[in-house]
Amino acid sequence: QSVLTQPPSVSAAPGRMVTISCSGSSSNIGSNYVSWYQQLPGTAPKLLIFDNNKRPSGIPDRFSGSKSGTSATLGITGLQTGDEADYYCGTWDNSLSAGRVFGTGTKVTVL
Amino acid sequence: QVQLQESGPGLVKPSETLSLTCTVSGGSVSSDYHYWSWIRQPPGKGLEWIAYIYHSGAINYNFSLKSRVSVSVDTSKNQFSLKLSSVTAADTAMYYCARESLTGEGYYFDYWGQGTLVTVSS
Repeated sequence: QSVLTQPPSVSAAPGRMVTISCSGSSSNIGSNYVSWYQQLPGTAPKLLIFDNNKRPSGIPDRFSGSKSGTSATLGITGLQTGDEADYYCGTWDNSLSAGRVFGTGTKVTVL
Repeated sequence: QVQLQESGPGLVKPSETLSLTCTVSGGSVSSDYHYWSWIRQPPGKGLEWIAYIYHSGAINYNFSLKSRVSVSVDTSKNQFSLKLSSVTAADTAMYYCARESLTGEGYYFDYWGQGTLVTVSS
């Protein structure tokens, strides 16, 4: 059972923007950096954002991350059909001996 | 380019031990800047971190699985391994190995294997 809560699904038309929230607590998001992962259907997760708001090389600036208090947010602008995927937030939890934790996952649908 | 590849049986009987190996290429399991993790995903469900190992042998486990999990690293073969004992149908999942980087402010999984599906069934 995940300690990080995400909305099950979000949707928007092509070209529009979506945001995905990730809610945690003081022992995880409130104290540590957050990363975000994209999982396209039938594939392994891929790193999108690390250290709350940094993008790895090759990730377009349409993807952005932020953190405030015990919550984090992933934003996707200029939505494309290729963005249809599951998205997960991740961090570590100090109350679980720094065990790594993931969010419940959010399915993004492009209408 | 770093690549990770999981290998092991795709079918395990209930109560037996699941054993998987991850072979790393393009990088070294002896790196001071990386942990090596196992993560699983039951069909249609979310990600669950299992454990990580560092080249020194330091290990961290998911508390809920700790009593059944064993991980090891073989620096000579550039591999790391997972053993999960007393498996049940609830352990049926896609199992991923992943590299976790320590080079930023925090930790993040920057490279993943393609995953291997393990089914627990008699």
